[in-house]
Amino acid sequence: DGGITQSPKYLFRKEGQNVTLSCEQNLNHDAMYWYRQDPGQGLRLIYYSQIVNDFQKGDIAEGYSVSREKKESFPLTVTSAQKNPTAFYLCASSIDWTGSSYNEQFFGPGTRLTVL
Amino acid sequence: DQQVKQNSPSLSVQEGRISILNCDYTNSMFDYFLWYKKYPAEGPTFLISISSIKDKNEDGRFTVFLNKSAKHLSLHIVPSQPGDSAVYFCAASAPGGTSYGKLTFGQGTILTVHP
Repeated sequence: DGGITQSPKYLFRKEGQNVTLSCEQNLNHDAMYWYRQDPGQGLRLIYYSQIVNDFQKGDIAEGYSVSREKKESFPLTVTSAQKNPTAFYLCASSIDWTGSSYNEQFFGPGTRLTVL
Repeated sequence: DQQVKQNSPSLSVQEGRISILNCDYTNSMFDYFLWYKKYPAEGPTFLISISSIKDKNEDGRFTVFLNKSAKHLSLHIVPSQPGDSAVYFCAASAPGGTSYGKLTFGQGTILTVHP
């Protein structure tokens, strides 16, 4: 089945440690995105990538880093510089980036990160 | 600067009645709007969308209305079912440059449908 997978579902880390969240898609989508969700807030865009080996900062990129070495993979690293890393992280993908804003995004199941 | 706002954090409705979820936006460049449904600890799933050239789009029990002059959209669910209980997010997209495909989300509205 085609879809987006995120692993693990739940992740615990000690304060000061970097942690990498996995996101894989087999939908052959060009564009991929990372969001975080906090209670009472909408989804806020961290980073996005429209093509392999290229990515852009979203609205809240500070303390995060990404890579896009393969079309199907877009891992997110939460660094120790991120002041409030505990959140629900969502990865999404869409068919392409070019030419249209009519671009439905498909989401993975999310990773709940808790920093102790 | 919250460009997409859902001013009602929660909505409670009786089964079989209509649920109306509202969303307001400030960016006049938005030309595509989407509604997503989200259960706890899961990713959002796409529900319905509408482009700015239309004022209504219907899909089964779900209808989205767009009022461009008021910069307002609403999602109607008729009849509401207990399985509709979830968080609903509206999202908007604008054309042009690196904004292609980028979605701006509202804060979400928790819908509870009582049997």
